[in-house]
Amino acid sequence: DSGVTQTPKHLITATGQRVTLRCSPRSGDLSVYWYQQSLDQGLQFLIQYYNGEERAKGNILERFSAQQFPDLHSELNLSSLELGDSALYFCASSTSSSGTNTDTQYFGPGTRLTVL
Amino acid sequence: AQKITQTQPGMFVQEKEAVTLDCTYDTSDQSYGLFWYKQPSSGEMIFLIYQGSYDEQNATEGRYSLNFQKARKSANLVISASQLGDSAMYFCAMSILNFGNEKLTFGTGTRLTIIP
Repeated sequence: DSGVTQTPKHLITATGQRVTLRCSPRSGDLSVYWYQQSLDQGLQFLIQYYNGEERAKGNILERFSAQQFPDLHSELNLSSLELGDSALYFCASSTSSSGTNTDTQYFGPGTRLTVL
Repeated sequence: AQKITQTQPGMFVQEKEAVTLDCTYDTSDQSYGLFWYKQPSSGEMIFLIYQGSYDEQNATEGRYSLNFQKARKSANLVISASQLGDSAMYFCAMSILNFGNEKLTFGTGTRLTIIP
């Protein structure tokens, strides 16, 4: 168990709908990352939040948005869903402490989104 | 930009044998970290081992070791005495020690199958 929790585990919805994925980081971790894993694109970074602020953005569509709340949990909102958005969405967290080594990111169990 | 290359889409190994999974990387940054993650068929991403770019010794974690050859830009994962439970997808990844660049860049993965 990584200590990162994600809900729901599975989500089935229809095209055009909107869904919210939730993530709680490990205790003490300030950074939350969202990744998408699909068959055609592999594992891709979407967005990172650090202590409530957006820190980095990757290949995130405009239809997608995220936020990190004061208690450090994060939500990823996906709207106007398309068939191609079907994927496994991971949240990861790290301490993002300053230092001489990069921080290990620990992943949650993922949310499997199926758009029909 | 960072790039990770895993050239072995699939590998079959006899139980109890050692196995090496290849990973090469490309970056112009001097400070970076290299990671290996395991993804079993259940879908979760499990952190295995980390190597910092300034670490002089190869990282080891139990049966896992990372063969780090900086000049060749390679970071191969060695699993000793393989077990049936090692059957999974294995991903090599890297991140940069740089504010706003801590995202993980992943390779395409290697599917390892352990044969009894």
